[in-house]
Amino acid sequence: GQNIDQPTEMTATEGAIVQINCTYQTSGFNGLFWYQQHAGEAPTFLSYNVLDGLEEKGRFSSFLSRSKGYSYLLLKELQMKDSASYLCAVRDSNYQLIWGAGTKLIIKP
Amino acid sequence: IAGITQAPTSQILAAGRRMTLRCTQDMRHNAMYWYRQDLGLGLRLIHYSNTAGTTGKGEVPDGYSVSRANTDDFPLTLASAVPSQTSVYFCASSVDAGTGASGYTFGSGTRLTVV
Repeated sequence: GQNIDQPTEMTATEGAIVQINCTYQTSGFNGLFWYQQHAGEAPTFLSYNVLDGLEEKGRFSSFLSRSKGYSYLLLKELQMKDSASYLCAVRDSNYQLIWGAGTKLIIKP
Repeated sequence: IAGITQAPTSQILAAGRRMTLRCTQDMRHNAMYWYRQDLGLGLRLIHYSNTAGTTGKGEVPDGYSVSRANTDDFPLTLASAVPSQTSVYFCASSVDAGTGASGYTFGSGTRLTVV
């Protein structure tokens, strides 16, 4: 079966750095996405990785290792507005997105 | 409108009733999707449409039907609602079905409670 694993919840301090991990087992791989979802709102696109390595976009970076079935999302200089759920999704061999359950990130002052 | 519009925002529905959730996009995206999101579970695909005139079944299609008569609209119908269909429903779209790095654009969601 297909599976995406992420921690259920993480807590971090304002101004710090946090790394949210995602491991996957899917039938094929055609890219990995990270989305941010604030409570009661729709998911919004953060990043896309299809090749191994690090993609940096401002305070957010995303890393991919296809051989390990592993990705992480790195958030720097945390702000209170970063409190949200972070969803990892993998596009499989049928070009459908398989979603993890999300990691709820709590930022404390 | 800009992006994806879903209606209604929320609804309480009696079990056994028929209900259509509306979804309209103005981005001329070819592919559209319906997901449900339940606490502790990832987004689960109900139905999808790669292009106008075609539809396909996702992971959890039972009890739901869709149509795609044109590019912009992708309604989801619950023929006879049951309490297990209580969920938040998201409509999404993408430029094309498979490729692309831009991901999906989501509507604001419909919170449905079946009693």
